[in-house]
Amino acid sequence: KQEVTQIPAALSVPEGENLVLNCSFTDSAIYNLQWFRQDPGKGLTSLLLIQSSQREQTSGRLNASLDKSSGRSTLYIAASQPGDSATYLCAVPSGGYNKLIFGAGTRLAVHP
Amino acid sequence: EAGVVQSPRYKIIEKKQPVAFWCNPISGHNTLYWYLQNLGQGPELLIRYENEEAVDDSQLPKDRFSAERLKGVDSTLKIQPAELGDSAVYLCASSGDSLTGELFFGEGSRLTVL
Repeated sequence: KQEVTQIPAALSVPEGENLVLNCSFTDSAIYNLQWFRQDPGKGLTSLLLIQSSQREQTSGRLNASLDKSSGRSTLYIAASQPGDSATYLCAVPSGGYNKLIFGAGTRLAVHP
Repeated sequence: EAGVVQSPRYKIIEKKQPVAFWCNPISGHNTLYWYLQNLGQGPELLIRYENEEAVDDSQLPKDRFSAERLKGVDSTLKIQPAELGDSAVYLCASSGDSLTGELFFGEGSRLTVL
């Protein structure tokens, strides 16, 4: 059974810091891994999708890496801004198709 | 291009009352998902549709929950009767590829059962 863990559960940093969010999963037989952002009271916004054949994906100040063999992914946020404050969730597919199993998320607060 | 649209955004009902949520996926997306998100947790799958067929409803509490996707486009999720523990956010998502495709979520419907 696929399980996803995210560390830390919460993070508070000053503006401008570079930071790393961690995601680990128990079953490495995955097609891809997806990172989402969720603002309070809102739905999930897809940030990055890494296919199993890729090692990393970049979008602006975000960089996500994937190491299937160790069951880990990291989301790197460069030069954090107050607007980055949100909950970040990672998810991996399970059951042979894109049935996503989510972690509980990392709640990020970036203060000016 | 419009994203996934859900309604209502918020619903407050008393226990034992029925409630229904509606979802319109991204145009052309054949795969539609309903997820449940409790406070402080990640979403959990309730049901997945491929076109109009429910291909995975193993986690849907069928005694009180039902869903349909007539004509393979819009979908409705119903709870009857609602219980206090059903208070949560109900998220709809769609994908263009059920195997490897990226999922796109709607804003969610927040249910409060009193």
